[in-house]
Amino acid sequence: EAGVAQSPRYKIIEKRQSVAFWCNPISGHATLYWYQQILGQGPKLLIQFQNNGVVDDSQLPKDRFSAERLKGVDSTLKIQPAKLEDSAVYLCASSSDNTIQYFGAGTRLSVL
Amino acid sequence: AQSVSQHNHHVILSEAASLELGCNYSYGGTVNLFWYVQYPGQHLQLLLKYFSGDPLVKGIKGFEAEFIKSKFSFNLRKPSVQWSDTAEYFCAVTVSGGYQKVTFGIGTKLQVIP
Repeated sequence: EAGVAQSPRYKIIEKRQSVAFWCNPISGHATLYWYQQILGQGPKLLIQFQNNGVVDDSQLPKDRFSAERLKGVDSTLKIQPAKLEDSAVYLCASSSDNTIQYFGAGTRLSVL
Repeated sequence: AQSVSQHNHHVILSEAASLELGCNYSYGGTVNLFWYVQYPGQHLQLLLKYFSGDPLVKGIKGFEAEFIKSKFSFNLRKPSVQWSDTAEYFCAVTVSGGYQKVTFGIGTKLQVIP
């Protein structure tokens, strides 16, 4: 069974630029999550999708972050414009039953 | 809203030493509890989980955790650690039923010295 795929693995941008991350969940998993993990902290949920609908985006900074999940499969997370404090690892996870989550390798973002 | 506290942020042990990592959560209702592990260079993966039933749960690689409801705790244990257990360990909690938002602790870095 293929795991959760994320790209790119690494991204370096300057502040005020925009960036997008892509996630392909495990086939058949209805629930998809995006997390932000800042160095030295645990993952923080940014947004959770159930199929292509948003279940929770209470911690998503909506003035600069956006996410979509077209057709209930792949998802993209965008930051525009990026700030220095957005430097983090962005993790995507999926679940078939909203209990056990399977994580991708993450995208490490450095904002200079 | 639930929260998770992990008290030991960095633990260093010699091989064969016993391990106990603390995890406490704050929520008055029924919860699901998890320990996830991230080995160097690898993805976060599930180590073990508790949903209901026997409060002592066993996971992969000889790890176990005990749910003590009265103490709001879900501590992770292993009788004898190995160098390959060097990793970062995250405790997580969801509220049972309905929408199950996951809250993660800050993580504990375990370093096992050969």
